[in-house]
Amino acid sequence: AQTVTQSQPEMSVQEAETVTLSCTYDTSESNYYLFWYKQPPSRQMILVIRQEAYKQQNATENRFSVNFQKAAKSFSLKISDSQLGDTAMYFCAFKGSGTYKYIFGTGTRLKVLA
Amino acid sequence: DSGVTQTPKHLITATGQRVTLRCSPRSGDLSVYWYQQSLDQGLQFLIQYYNGEERAKGNILERFSAQQFPDLHSELNLSSLELGDSALYFCASSGGHLNTEAFFGQGTRLTVV
Repeated sequence: AQTVTQSQPEMSVQEAETVTLSCTYDTSESNYYLFWYKQPPSRQMILVIRQEAYKQQNATENRFSVNFQKAAKSFSLKISDSQLGDTAMYFCAFKGSGTYKYIFGTGTRLKVLA
Repeated sequence: DSGVTQTPKHLITATGQRVTLRCSPRSGDLSVYWYQQSLDQGLQFLIQYYNGEERAKGNILERFSAQQFPDLHSELNLSSLELGDSALYFCASSGGHLNTEAFFGQGTRLTVV
C-alpha cells in the first residue's frame, strides 16, 4: 500500500528566509505523481506544485521548488523568500497512475514570522 | 477559484439527522473525489467516482453514501449523524485518464450539535 509521511508537524521561518518541508513516500508503482498542497487558515486546499515521476527535472513554480529524489522516495518542498502569506498547513500528496485516489500526508504547519 | 463548486458552505444540524452535500466538478473533469477533514487533522479519503461509476472506496461509514449523476455533479449523503461527523468535507475533481492534479472545492463545514 502506498503511504506518505511528513515528519515535521510544525515549522517556522523568518520572513524572506528559505525553508524546506520534507516528505517521503512508499510505493511499488513506477509511474506516479506527487503534489504539494497549501491550506491557509481559510481551509481552502490550493495546489502549489506537482511533479511527474518520469521527469528527472525538479518542478519549480515561482518561489516554490521541489527536490525530487526518486530512488530515495523523497519529495521536499523549498519555499524561497518566505512571505507572511505562506503561513499555512502544507500537505504532500501522492497518486499512482494505477490507483484511483490521492493519498495525503499528515501535513506540516508552517508559520512565517515577521 | 478552482472551478469546483460545493454547496452549502456551512451546515449545522442535529444528531440523528440526514444531510446532502453537493459538488459540481470543473468543466470537463470526469473524476470526483470526496474527502473528510476533521479539526486539525489530515484528509481522509471517502470515495471516488469516474463518469458516474464508483471507482474507489476509502474509510467511508455505512451511514454515508454518494453518487455521481449523468451531468457529473456528485452528492454525498450523510445519515444518522453523530457529533463525531462534524468536519470539513471536501470535493475534488480531476481530468480523465491523464491522472492530473486534483482541484478542490471550498469545502462544506458540517457541524452536528
